[in-house]
Amino acid sequence: DQQVKQNSPSLSVQEGRISILNCDYTNSMFDYFLWYKKYPAEGPTFLISISSIKDKNEDGRFTVFLNKSAKHLSLHIVPSQPGDSAVYFCAAIGTDKLIFGTGTRLQVFP
Amino acid sequence: DAGITQSPRYKITETGRQVTLMCHQTWSHSYMFWYRQDLGHGLRLIYYSAAADITDKGEVPDGYVVSRSKTENFPLTLESATRSQTSVYFCASSVSSMDRDGYTFGSGTRLTVV
Repeated sequence: DQQVKQNSPSLSVQEGRISILNCDYTNSMFDYFLWYKKYPAEGPTFLISISSIKDKNEDGRFTVFLNKSAKHLSLHIVPSQPGDSAVYFCAAIGTDKLIFGTGTRLQVFP
Repeated sequence: DAGITQSPRYKITETGRQVTLMCHQTWSHSYMFWYRQDLGHGLRLIYYSAAADITDKGEVPDGYVVSRSKTENFPLTLESATRSQTSVYFCASSVSSMDRDGYTFGSGTRLTVV
Protein backbone atom coordinates (compact mmCIF):
# COMPACT_ATOMS: atom_id res chain seq x y z
CA ASP A 1 0.00 0.00 0.00
CA GLN A 2 1.69 3.15 -1.26
CA GLN A 3 1.02 5.83 1.35
CA VAL A 4 2.87 8.55 -0.58
CA LYS A 5 2.26 8.68 -4.30
CA GLN A 6 3.78 10.62 -7.15
CA ASN A 7 1.60 9.76 -10.08
CA SER A 8 3.69 11.46 -12.75
CA PRO A 9 6.89 9.53 -13.38
CA SER A 10 8.26 12.26 -15.60
CA LEU A 11 7.78 15.92 -16.49
CA SER A 12 9.36 18.01 -19.22
CA VAL A 13 9.41 21.81 -18.95
CA GLN A 14 10.97 24.58 -20.95
CA GLU A 15 13.62 26.70 -19.28
CA GLY A 16 12.15 29.78 -17.65
CA ARG A 17 8.69 28.28 -17.25
CA ILE A 18 7.12 26.91 -14.08
CA SER A 19 7.60 23.27 -13.05
CA ILE A 20 4.89 21.76 -10.87
CA LEU A 21 5.53 18.41 -9.24
CA ASN A 22 2.69 16.72 -7.42
CA CYS A 23 2.44 14.34 -4.51
CA ASP A 24 -0.55 12.70 -2.83
CA TYR A 25 -0.72 10.93 0.49
CA THR A 26 -3.29 8.73 2.14
CA ASN A 27 -2.66 9.07 5.87
CA SER A 28 -4.20 12.17 7.45
CA MET A 29 -1.91 11.70 10.47
CA PHE A 30 1.15 12.74 8.47
CA ASP A 31 2.18 16.15 9.79
CA TYR A 32 5.44 16.97 8.07
CA PHE A 33 6.53 16.67 4.47
CA LEU A 34 9.83 16.96 2.67
CA TRP A 35 11.06 17.16 -0.90
CA TYR A 36 14.34 15.64 -2.01
CA LYS A 37 16.25 16.18 -5.21
CA LYS A 38 18.43 13.51 -6.78
CA TYR A 39 20.98 13.92 -9.55
CA PRO A 40 22.35 10.88 -11.43
CA ALA A 41 25.14 9.06 -9.59
CA GLU A 42 24.43 11.02 -6.40
CA GLY A 43 22.34 10.42 -3.32
CA PRO A 44 19.09 12.31 -2.69
CA THR A 45 19.53 15.69 -1.02
CA PHE A 46 17.02 17.61 1.05
CA LEU A 47 15.37 20.48 -0.83
CA ILE A 48 12.46 21.97 1.12
CA SER A 49 9.92 20.95 3.72
CA ILE A 50 6.55 21.99 5.11
CA SER A 51 4.70 21.43 8.34
CA SER A 52 1.02 20.58 8.32
CA ILE A 53 0.26 23.76 10.25
CA LYS A 54 1.23 25.72 7.14
CA ASP A 55 -0.11 25.69 3.61
CA LYS A 56 2.93 27.22 1.91
CA ASN A 57 6.66 27.36 2.34
CA GLU A 58 8.98 29.25 0.06
CA ASP A 59 12.73 29.11 -0.45
CA GLY A 60 14.01 31.09 -3.39
CA ARG A 61 12.71 29.59 -6.62
CA PHE A 62 11.13 26.67 -4.77
CA THR A 63 7.72 26.76 -3.13
CA VAL A 64 5.85 23.88 -1.60
CA PHE A 65 2.08 24.03 -1.19
CA LEU A 66 0.08 21.77 1.08
CA ASN A 67 -3.64 21.08 0.77
CA LYS A 68 -4.51 18.98 3.80
CA SER A 69 -8.16 18.47 2.90
CA ALA A 70 -7.10 16.98 -0.43
CA LYS A 71 -4.07 15.23 1.07
CA HIS A 72 -2.00 16.78 -1.68
CA LEU A 73 1.22 18.71 -1.87
CA SER A 74 3.00 20.26 -4.78
CA LEU A 75 6.45 21.66 -5.47
CA HIS A 76 6.67 24.71 -7.71
CA ILE A 77 9.93 25.72 -9.32
CA VAL A 78 9.91 29.19 -10.86
CA PRO A 79 11.69 29.88 -13.12
CA SER A 80 12.89 26.43 -14.07
CA GLN A 81 16.54 26.07 -15.00
CA PRO A 82 18.42 23.27 -16.79
CA GLY A 83 20.25 22.54 -13.53
CA ASP A 84 16.90 21.61 -11.99
CA SER A 85 16.79 18.50 -14.16
CA ALA A 86 16.76 15.68 -11.62
CA VAL A 87 14.50 13.17 -9.92
CA TYR A 88 12.35 14.67 -7.16
CA PHE A 89 11.02 12.60 -4.27
CA CYS A 90 8.38 13.73 -1.84
CA ALA A 91 8.40 12.20 1.61
CA ALA A 92 6.18 12.24 4.67
CA ILE A 93 7.09 11.68 8.28
CA GLY A 94 5.03 8.62 9.17
CA THR A 95 4.47 6.91 12.48
CA ASP A 96 8.13 6.06 12.94
CA LYS A 97 10.14 7.03 9.85
CA LEU A 98 10.11 8.82 6.53
CA ILE A 99 7.96 7.39 3.77
CA PHE A 100 9.07 8.22 0.26
CA GLY A 101 7.12 8.53 -2.95
CA THR A 102 8.19 6.88 -6.19
CA GLY A 103 9.76 10.02 -7.65
CA THR A 104 9.22 12.29 -10.65
CA ARG A 105 11.94 12.84 -13.21
CA LEU A 106 12.03 16.51 -14.23
CA GLN A 107 13.72 17.53 -17.43
CA VAL A 108 14.19 21.22 -18.14
CA PHE A 109 15.06 21.90 -21.76
CA PRO A 110 16.40 25.15 -23.29
CA ASP B 1 36.13 13.51 5.63
CA ALA B 2 32.95 14.28 7.46
CA GLY B 3 29.74 12.85 6.13
CA ILE B 4 28.38 9.55 5.00
CA THR B 5 30.35 7.36 2.62
CA GLN B 6 29.43 4.21 0.79
CA SER B 7 31.73 1.66 -0.76
CA PRO B 8 32.16 0.39 -3.33
CA ARG B 9 30.53 2.83 -5.76
CA TYR B 10 30.08 0.11 -8.36
CA LYS B 11 30.00 -3.66 -7.99
CA ILE B 12 29.36 -6.52 -10.37
CA THR B 13 28.84 -9.93 -8.84
CA GLU B 14 27.59 -13.32 -9.92
CA THR B 15 24.35 -14.96 -8.90
CA GLY B 16 24.76 -16.89 -5.67
CA ARG B 17 27.75 -14.94 -4.42
CA GLN B 18 27.79 -13.13 -1.11
CA VAL B 19 28.44 -9.41 -1.33
CA THR B 20 28.69 -6.73 1.33
CA LEU B 21 28.03 -3.05 0.83
CA MET B 22 29.65 -0.73 3.31
CA CYS B 23 28.33 2.45 4.88
CA HIS B 24 30.19 4.75 7.24
CA GLN B 25 29.05 8.00 8.84
CA THR B 26 31.03 10.46 10.91
CA TRP B 27 28.22 12.38 12.63
CA SER B 28 27.48 9.80 15.32
CA HIS B 29 23.89 9.76 14.14
CA SER B 30 21.83 7.20 16.02
CA TYR B 31 19.78 6.10 13.03
CA MET B 32 21.02 4.51 9.85
CA PHE B 33 19.04 3.20 6.90
CA TRP B 34 19.46 1.14 3.76
CA TYR B 35 17.32 1.87 0.72
CA ARG B 36 17.23 0.51 -2.77
CA GLN B 37 16.15 2.59 -5.73
CA ASP B 38 14.45 0.91 -8.66
CA LEU B 39 12.58 2.37 -11.59
CA GLY B 40 8.90 2.63 -10.80
CA HIS B 41 9.40 1.88 -7.12
CA GLY B 42 11.27 4.91 -5.86
CA LEU B 43 13.17 4.47 -2.63
CA ARG B 44 12.28 1.35 -0.70
CA LEU B 45 13.55 0.75 2.81
CA ILE B 46 15.44 -2.51 3.29
CA TYR B 47 16.62 -2.31 6.90
CA TYR B 48 17.25 0.34 9.46
CA SER B 49 18.99 0.67 12.78
CA ALA B 50 18.16 2.85 15.77
CA ALA B 51 21.50 2.34 17.50
CA ALA B 52 24.39 -0.09 17.73
CA ASP B 53 23.11 -3.67 17.97
CA ILE B 54 19.52 -2.59 17.21
CA THR B 55 18.21 -3.31 13.74
CA ASP B 56 14.78 -3.71 12.21
CA LYS B 57 13.25 -4.74 8.92
CA GLY B 58 11.94 -2.30 6.41
CA GLU B 59 9.70 -2.81 3.43
CA VAL B 60 11.88 -5.23 1.41
CA PRO B 61 14.24 -7.12 3.76
CA ASP B 62 14.23 -10.58 2.16
CA GLY B 63 17.64 -11.72 0.97
CA TYR B 64 19.52 -9.09 2.99
CA VAL B 65 21.33 -9.13 6.31
CA VAL B 66 22.58 -6.15 8.32
CA SER B 67 24.66 -5.64 11.40
CA ARG B 68 25.65 -2.64 13.46
CA SER B 69 28.39 -3.39 15.92
CA LYS B 70 29.56 0.24 15.89
CA THR B 71 27.47 3.40 15.66
CA GLU B 72 29.34 4.66 12.61
CA ASN B 73 29.11 1.55 10.43
CA PHE B 74 26.09 -0.19 8.94
CA PRO B 75 27.06 -2.87 6.39
CA LEU B 76 24.47 -4.52 4.18
CA THR B 77 25.10 -8.12 3.07
CA LEU B 78 23.43 -10.01 0.28
CA GLU B 79 23.95 -13.58 1.39
CA SER B 80 23.29 -15.17 -2.00
CA ALA B 81 22.86 -12.52 -4.66
CA THR B 82 20.04 -12.80 -7.19
CA ARG B 83 19.42 -10.85 -10.39
CA SER B 84 16.41 -9.18 -8.76
CA GLN B 85 18.83 -7.53 -6.35
CA THR B 86 20.42 -5.57 -9.17
CA SER B 87 19.75 -2.02 -8.03
CA VAL B 88 21.21 1.18 -6.70
CA TYR B 89 21.63 1.04 -2.94
CA PHE B 90 21.64 4.10 -0.72
CA CYS B 91 22.65 4.37 2.88
CA ALA B 92 21.31 7.23 5.00
CA SER B 93 21.69 8.48 8.53
CA SER B 94 19.74 10.74 10.86
CA VAL B 95 19.52 11.95 14.42
CA SER B 96 16.12 10.33 14.71
CA SER B 97 13.83 8.34 12.45
CA MET B 98 11.40 11.26 12.37
CA ASP B 99 13.94 14.04 12.14
CA ARG B 100 12.38 17.08 10.48
CA ASP B 101 15.75 17.83 8.91
CA GLY B 102 15.31 14.58 7.04
CA TYR B 103 17.86 11.92 6.35
CA THR B 104 21.30 12.46 4.85
CA PHE B 105 22.13 10.07 2.07
CA GLY B 106 25.35 8.62 0.77
CA SER B 107 26.23 8.68 -2.92
CA GLY B 108 25.02 5.15 -3.52
CA THR B 109 26.36 1.80 -4.68
CA ARG B 110 25.31 0.52 -8.07
CA LEU B 111 25.14 -3.27 -7.83
CA THR B 112 24.77 -5.51 -10.84
CA VAL B 113 24.12 -9.22 -10.36
CA VAL B 114 24.86 -11.28 -13.45
